[in-house]
Amino acid sequence: DQQVKQNSPSLSVQEGRISILNCDYTNSMFDYFLWYKKYPAEGPTFLISISSIKDKNEDGRFTVFLNKSAKHLSLHIVPSQPGDSAVYFCAASADDKIIFGKGTRLHILP
Amino acid sequence: DTGVSQNPRHKITKRGQNVTFRCDPISEHNRLYWYRQTLGQGPEFLTYFQNEAQLEKSRLLSDRFSAERPKGSFSTLEIQRTEQGDSAMYLCASSLASGLALYEQYFGPGTRLTVT
Repeated sequence: DQQVKQNSPSLSVQEGRISILNCDYTNSMFDYFLWYKKYPAEGPTFLISISSIKDKNEDGRFTVFLNKSAKHLSLHIVPSQPGDSAVYFCAASADDKIIFGKGTRLHILP
Repeated sequence: DTGVSQNPRHKITKRGQNVTFRCDPISEHNRLYWYRQTLGQGPEFLTYFQNEAQLEKSRLLSDRFSAERPKGSFSTLEIQRTEQGDSAMYLCASSLASGLALYEQYFGPGTRLTVT
């Protein structure tokens, strides 16, 4: 069973516009949520995180929103830039382990 | 370069052979994790260490897999009698086992294993 779901395999967004990546989870015991970004031939890199006791965390162009009642989180990137083209993994943590979603490939169009 | 390093970056082996991968974590990190990633999937947890102690192993880690972290520094992942289904990217990550830093794992570039 997939505890962290990213239902959009890919997303294309015009440069300068907002990119919104979505993620759903099933395990209510998750206490921390993260987004990782991955370029080809590299390992994932940590981007931003949010504790389960908060509903928003912002870091520069990146904002993560958490809706616990809906078991949903989203990553907003604004404005989108060409260097944001990558695969984005949503992840959630419980018992010191991180469970990753399948990823969403973001294409930023010129 | 003080990031996580993994060797080799690529390994091609014949079915039935044994392979060993190495991971060198960030030096001050006491947590070390191994993941496997296949095409179209996110990283899947295999096992993790705190210092030299192996604290948990996933059901994915069959008895053909063994991991060690002698002296709490680098780690090795060995796969015995490789099978074609073992073909994947094997990722290593490290973190501090302290507060929120626990969750911010730093990944190496991975070792891509191809079993023919």
